[in-house]
Amino acid sequence: ETGVTQTPRHLVMGMTNKKSLKCEQHLGHNAMYWYKQSAKKPLELMFVYNFKEQTENNSVPSRFSPECPNSSHLFLHLHTLQPEDSALYLCASSLNGGTAPTNEQFFGPGTRLTVL
Amino acid sequence: SQKIEQNSEALNIQEGKTATLTCNYTNYSPAYLQWYRQDPGRGPVFLLLIRENEKEKRKERLKVTFDTTLKQSLFHITASQPADSATYLCALDGDKFYFGSGTKLNVKP
Repeated sequence: ETGVTQTPRHLVMGMTNKKSLKCEQHLGHNAMYWYKQSAKKPLELMFVYNFKEQTENNSVPSRFSPECPNSSHLFLHLHTLQPEDSALYLCASSLNGGTAPTNEQFFGPGTRLTVL
Repeated sequence: SQKIEQNSEALNIQEGKTATLTCNYTNYSPAYLQWYRQDPGRGPVFLLLIRENEKEKRKERLKVTFDTTLKQSLFHITASQPADSATYLCALDGDKFYFGSGTKLNVKP
């Protein structure tokens, strides 16, 4: 296990639903990240939090809303998603962060999201 | 923006041979480059980091090179085993952190 957990592992939702993804890290890291991984595409960095402060938002649509209540927990709130948002959503953490992490990132297992 | 190219075709090799994966990049001069392994249905796992002033880095059967003139990194697995079969991703810092699409490695017994 990597020390980064994500729930749920699978999620199916309609376009009008509201749901949340949860990530927790037990590594004492200060930076946490949300990534989107679509089929045949590279991992796309969505959000970066460093010491609970959002340091990066890579032009992500407002239907994705992150929340970082403390350095160990990260949420991604989902609202009125589109079918093209279906993907694997990965959470990661690193010891230090910022815009360009210089330390290795530890990834969770991901949440497989399907939007109908 | 940064562009990273990894061979999208799967690499098939025989057990015991050396696998060599390529990562090419454009538009930036990264201070470091990382390699990750990803198995189906799981998150990537960090393998190695190499900095711009390092030509080569080794870890057990793994070796990474970094040529800033060619804008290329090579990732080698020596004495490959079927358990090495996975997708390998390179990642680097540009104006933000970028991952390549990955190359799938199949090691046949």
